Formats: sequence, structure tokens, C-alpha cells
Amino acid sequence: DAKTTQPPSMDCAEGRAANLPCNHSTISGNEYVYWYRQIHSQGPQYIIHGLKNNETNEMASLIITEDRKSSTLILPHATLRDTAVYYCIVRDPAGNAGKSTFGDGTTLTVKP
Amino acid sequence: DAGVIQSPRHEVTEMGQEVTLRCKPISGHNSLFWYRQTMMRGLELLIYFNNNVPIDDSGMPEDRFSAKMPNASFSTLKIQPSEPRDSAVYFCASSFVGVEYGYTFGSGTRLTVV
Repeated sequence: DAKTTQPPSMDCAEGRAANLPCNHSTISGNEYVYWYRQIHSQGPQYIIHGLKNNETNEMASLIITEDRKSSTLILPHATLRDTAVYYCIVRDPAGNAGKSTFGDGTTLTVKP
Repeated sequence: DAGVIQSPRHEVTEMGQEVTLRCKPISGHNSLFWYRQTMMRGLELLIYFNNNVPIDDSGMPEDRFSAKMPNASFSTLKIQPSEPRDSAVYFCASSFVGVEYGYTFGSGTRLTVV
């Protein structure tokens, strides 16, 4: 599976949009982009995934560039409860699905 | 569904003792993963199963670790003998094989070996 690069930390003001970037320049055609988050001492929580189109659900939006080499997770109105470590991973669900490697992620701190 | 259920939530044991961690995946999911998380190494994949069959155990640190999945609703991760460096949070996750859904993680077992 391709590796991803994320900034180690970001801050965001409460109520503002949080935009978390991820680079995955070696992504292959069959690999999806997934985002998870981990709130302190809890298990990681799935947020959203996409292949090449932008996606939106009740939690967030995912913007994938046309060349698929990077993506951005958008939390439209960040709250204090969104403070967490956010992980971006890529994987081919039809391939070696278990090789999902979680890097260090981005620690997002939402401030009042 | 109650989600992925792990037990125990916390385990404190003495070095040399056997430890067994348990996981019940979401009903209908046919892929199961064991991860370990430490401050130093982050989230590491230890082993995963598809349809109860171990597919890749290359992340298992050494022979002291073993995992089984006797049926679709239960898996165990065993450490024998345990060592202080095994102290970590162990997560179990489940999903569907071959489709693009994300993983659902359990709440984890915090293991402390003294």
C-alpha cells in the first residue's frame, strides 16, 4: 500500500472549518483514501473514504485532487470534541486489505 | 449492533504470565485485525484474518504471540510468556473482505506487564 504524509499538528478555532491535508503521491489506481480519527484512549473511528470523487457524509467532506496524489479532510464547523489525532491511509480493498498502515497522523487541536 | 467488543478493558499481569485478549467482531463482518499501539511505535498491525483464516501474521513480534479465530464471532490474541515490553493498548477491528468499507475498531485492551 502507498504511504501517506501528514503534518504532525494543526490548530483550529472552534466553529471554523478544519482542513487537514494528506499527501499520497504513490497511490495506485485501485487504492482508496480513508480517514480515521482517534480521540484520546479510544479506538480509531472511521470517518470517510473515497476513490477519486469528492465525498461528503454527516461527519466530514473529503476532497481528492484530480491526480489523486493528495487529499483534504474538511470538518466544516469544528467543535472542541473534534480534538483528536486524524489518520489518512490508502489501501486497495480487493488486495492485501490487512496492510493498512497507520502513520503518525495529524493532531488537531480545536481551541475555544 | 454493539460494535466490536473487546475484553478485558484493562489487564495487569506479572512478567512470565500468560495473557489472553478477546475480540468479538461485528456480526456479518468477515475480516478481523489485531493492532497494537504504543507511544513509541504508534499503531502496528499484528495479524489479520479473512473468513476466519489467518492471512498475514508478519506483524506478530515473536513466537510468544499467537492469535486464533475459531469461528466468525470470536478471536483471541495470546501472549505467553508476557514481558514488560508487551505493555500497550491492543485493538481489534473488523470489516468486510474485498469491499471498500472502513474498519470498525473496538475500545481496546490496555495491557500492563509488571
